[in-house]
Amino acid sequence: GNSVTQMEGPVTLSEEAFLTINCTYTATGYPSLFWYVQYPGEGLQLLLKATKADDKGSNKGFEATYRKETTSFHLEKGSVQVSDSAVYFCALSPVPSYNTDKLIFGTGTRLQVFP
Amino acid sequence: EAGVTQSPTHLIKTRGQQATLRCSPISGHTSVYWYQQALGLGLQFLLWYDEGEERNRGNFPPRFSGRQFPNYSSELNVNALELEDSALYLCASTLTGTYEQYFGPGTRLTVT
Repeated sequence: GNSVTQMEGPVTLSEEAFLTINCTYTATGYPSLFWYVQYPGEGLQLLLKATKADDKGSNKGFEATYRKETTSFHLEKGSVQVSDSAVYFCALSPVPSYNTDKLIFGTGTRLQVFP
Repeated sequence: EAGVTQSPTHLIKTRGQQATLRCSPISGHTSVYWYQQALGLGLQFLLWYDEGEERNRGNFPPRFSGRQFPNYSSELNVNALELEDSALYLCASTLTGTYEQYFGPGTRLTVT
């Protein structure tokens, strides 16, 4: 079946540190991959996406590359800020036959950035 | 462009009661998804509606039900509330033919 595995949190970093949050997936075919972010007390916001192998999604300094050979979609940022503190969810959308089916989410990784 | 809206923001019910949660998708989006985010359990898929029809359902009991109206807004009903139904309920919408889902701020349901 389809599944997403994320690294356990919390991830605790100092401001301006480099961030990596690991995400691997299991799926048939070529799913679309997403990173969502959830700030405290809010819903989820789409952070970035990639729809085919070797695609790089990027937004707000965050990047993730769709690696088919390692079935991974790791999230990276070169220099984190306190305002990046949130929960990050990796998700996949299975190959659709019509429109989209449900997103399959990882368990989320909490990032805490300290000044 | 207005995003996905949900109401109410917070809902407090007692065990055994019924709860109704509402969602309005982004204008032009025809699909609505419901997820449950219980504390420490991540997001669990509940229901998917498209063009007024239920298209898929997650692993939840029948007391979780819903519907989609002609204007594509949606309602989630939870009957015979149990304490473990306490969670943040998130609604998302998509534009037909695209993959990304856009989420609302959620309704926090507390069952006492």
